[in-house]
Amino acid sequence: DVKVTQSSRYLVKRTGEKVFLECVQDMDHENMFWYRQDPGLGLRLIYFSYDVKMKEKGDIPEGYSVSREKKERFSLILESASTNQTSMYLCASSPRGRPTGELFFGEGSRLTVL
Amino acid sequence: DAKTTQPPSMDCAEGRAANLPCNHSTISGNEYVYWYRQIHSQGPQYIIHGLKNNETNEMASLIITEDRKSSTLILPHATLRDTAVYYCIVRQYPLAGGAQKLVFGQGTRLTINP
Repeated sequence: DVKVTQSSRYLVKRTGEKVFLECVQDMDHENMFWYRQDPGLGLRLIYFSYDVKMKEKGDIPEGYSVSREKKERFSLILESASTNQTSMYLCASSPRGRPTGELFFGEGSRLTVL
Repeated sequence: DAKTTQPPSMDCAEGRAANLPCNHSTISGNEYVYWYRQIHSQGPQYIIHGLKNNETNEMASLIITEDRKSSTLILPHATLRDTAVYYCIVRQYPLAGGAQKLVFGQGTRLTINP
């Protein structure tokens, strides 16, 4: 089975802490994505990457950074967590050029910032 | 990307066909229609996509009107496990080497009743 694995299902952090959310995929996909999901706002794209060391801003990149040092791993970093970053974070991957346009999602990481 | 309009919620009896509508009246000629669903506490799951012809796979059927301004996702024999939020997304097929960036709206909350 294809798999996207997110390192933590639930995290609780304090305001100002640095937070790392890790995502690993075992499908050799070129593209990886980070979304956040909030009630009433749906899924919003934070950052995406189409190759190792490449990154592109999504719709809401402020307050976040990303790292893609290896093809299978895409990390989301909150340099100084704030309460408005309390959310469900979803990682996804997709192969380049695949005609289905299918994204494979992980199960999500629910972050609470106190 | 064209915007979509979906009813916020629907109910369907177990064993019946669930028909989920989506309006995308501003769709352009090179934009595809994608459907995803999200079961509670899980990441979204790809269901099906199409351009102008009707499509069917093991999960569902997709009916796109001739003018392409609306579509219907059909789950032929709904089960309790089909209870989820269903997202209709319209997106241009990515250029070679491009990343598949999908914008999720609010979706339809489908409840399958025993």
